[in-house]
Amino acid sequence: GQQVMQIPQYQHVQEGEDFTTYCNSSTTLSNIQWYKQRPGGHPVFLIQLVKSGEVKKQKRLTFQFGEAKKNSSLHITATQTTDVGTYFCAGLSNFGNEKLTFGTGTRLTIIP
Amino acid sequence: EPEVTQTPSHQVTQMGQEVILRCVPISNHLYFYWYRQILGQKVEFLVSFYNNEISEKSEIFDDQFSVERPDGSNFTLKIRSTKLEDSAMYFCASSEYRAVNQPQHFGDGTRLSIL
Repeated sequence: GQQVMQIPQYQHVQEGEDFTTYCNSSTTLSNIQWYKQRPGGHPVFLIQLVKSGEVKKQKRLTFQFGEAKKNSSLHITATQTTDVGTYFCAGLSNFGNEKLTFGTGTRLTIIP
Repeated sequence: EPEVTQTPSHQVTQMGQEVILRCVPISNHLYFYWYRQILGQKVEFLVSFYNNEISEKSEIFDDQFSVERPDGSNFTLKIRSTKLEDSAMYFCASSEYRAVNQPQHFGDGTRLSIL
């Protein structure tokens, strides 16, 4: 079945440093979504990417969707303590499919 | 802002017992989902539900699991005979339209502990 892997599994950064998580799917995706889960919380939708090569920005967050629609990345510039949490990518394999496959997640901790 | 609500927040059940987890999706949403997350692991899709029927399910969602929308607001997940490995956080989610086009809104989850 479809697998979605993320690296790294854990990332510890000093506050103010940048952070990047990479997402790789075993199959081509129709679109990809990114969610953030704070410790003890539930996943919260951040963004959706649909087009090959698409890049979207939300303030300090930059999201990219690969040309082959099999990988994606999330980059955070100048991390803040509020960025703490686990970042999951989640992909849909083809149109008409309702099954959102979550990645393995990257847990970000910030050293003040 | 409208929220997905789940009850109870924590359920402790003896192995072999039946358990029902309850969810109230956002009122104008049409698509409903259940996910589970074993402690420290990724979120796993269980089932999607639309127009009073299952639209998709994963290999985890075997005959021990069932979902129901008993009235216009509630969406339930039943596990008939619980096993130790069913211990996890169960999240309900809803979206206005089908998953391919829409973000999913998650509830706070029910922590299920099987003894």
